[in-house]
Amino acid sequence: DIQLTQSPSFLSASVGDRVTVTCRAGQGISNSLAWYQQKPGKAPKLLIYTASTLQSGVPSRFSGSGSGTEFTLTISSLQPEDFATYYCQQHNAYPFTFGPGTKVDIK
Amino acid sequence: EVQLVESGGGLVQPGGSLRLSCVASGFTFSDHYMDWVRQAPGKGLEWVGRSRNKANSYTTEYAASVKGRFTTSRDDSKNLLYLQMNSLKTEDTAVYYCARVRGSGYVLSFLDCWGQGTLVTVSS
Repeated sequence: DIQLTQSPSFLSASVGDRVTVTCRAGQGISNSLAWYQQKPGKAPKLLIYTASTLQSGVPSRFSGSGSGTEFTLTISSLQPEDFATYYCQQHNAYPFTFGPGTKVDIK
Repeated sequence: EVQLVESGGGLVQPGGSLRLSCVASGFTFSDHYMDWVRQAPGKGLEWVGRSRNKANSYTTEYAASVKGRFTTSRDDSKNLLYLQMNSLKTEDTAVYYCARVRGSGYVLSFLDCWGQGTLVTVSS
């Protein structure tokens, strides 16, 4: 199985901050990586796919980059509605593993 | 509007069985692969399995943790996806989500629409 790690596991930030979350894969996965946002009690929501493509309707302050084994999700200016947990998922090989998540909290 | 609605969750004893359903609307269900993902209380997301479409012979994939115990199937005439769960264990306790896969092939194998989830509790 392809293991994904995320860092940090938790971050505390203020509205307006630039936030970066990193996802690392245990082996190369090309650009087959998606990012999801999950708020408490809600289903995950797709933000980014194929590492850097913004899902329709997602604000442009979200961006993704990377290829191979290292990927980043960046929120350019954190908004109140962005406080949530963020997960990466590789879709390069079965089983399609998720990262452990990064919780973004209000400072 | 694309919509997925799961049902069938509940309390079941260890060793028991449960069948979850997911009804789809707002898109051509028969064209899409569909996935099941679960989330144990307070934990992260775990991919459970995949149901491919008719064009790919309705084949399936499963996580090692459920293989041999869980079976996913579909009824395209009713826009329904199922997850039959047998020999349930306490560690299967989770919210189970169905999700639409964007397309066939690994590059498009991300999940672009999710249901609200249904809670399965395995306990004596």
